[in-house]
Amino acid sequence: DARVTQTPRHKVTEMGQEVTMRCQPILGHNTVFWYRQTMMQGLELLAYFRNRAPLDDSGMPKDRFSAEMPDATLATLKIQPSEPRDSAVYFCASGLVVGSGDAEAFFGQGTRLTVV
Amino acid sequence: GQSLEQPSEVTAVEGAIVQINCTYQTSGFYGLSWYQQHDGGAPTFLSYNALDGLEETGRFSSFLSRSDSYGYLLLQELQMKDSASYFCAVRALGGSQGNLIFGKGTKLSVKP
Repeated sequence: DARVTQTPRHKVTEMGQEVTMRCQPILGHNTVFWYRQTMMQGLELLAYFRNRAPLDDSGMPKDRFSAEMPDATLATLKIQPSEPRDSAVYFCASGLVVGSGDAEAFFGQGTRLTVV
Repeated sequence: GQSLEQPSEVTAVEGAIVQINCTYQTSGFYGLSWYQQHDGGAPTFLSYNALDGLEETGRFSSFLSRSDSYGYLLLQELQMKDSASYFCAVRALGGSQGNLIFGKGTKLSVKP
């Protein structure tokens, strides 16, 4: 049963602390997305990787956020230092992009982050 | 860039038909997708329109008109379990090829 796995599912941390969220994409998928979801902003794209290369991270606050794919089985999103406004649900999604033939993204269950 | 507009909320009764519209402004995209998200859950893929016209998958249908920059999701024979948020999304052409941008979502409430 192929699925995207995110850890941790929940994280409560104090302002100023570093937060690292991890994602294991579905084996064989060549794209990974990181989204942040809040009531006000909906699903905001933070970063997009294709074949492990970052193609778009324009939606990510660069001063505190960083996203990497150290290998094909792991994507990370790091916030340092964290702030209360970062409280949100962070979703990782993966997909197989082959020209225009496939547009489906498979989402993980998300990491619910609370910064106090 | 891309932007997608959807109504924020829609209410309908069980057994009815509801249409959720999505209008977009984009410089170019591969196709229009729809995702469903239940409260506390993750978005899940519903349908994809690469070409203009209607795509049908069971009780759900999706439509795209590129000339009108418009699409919709049609839900028939509504059930209580259809209460969820529905998002339209486009995959961008160009430098961010494959980038997937979502609308803000439409919260559907199905009443008995």
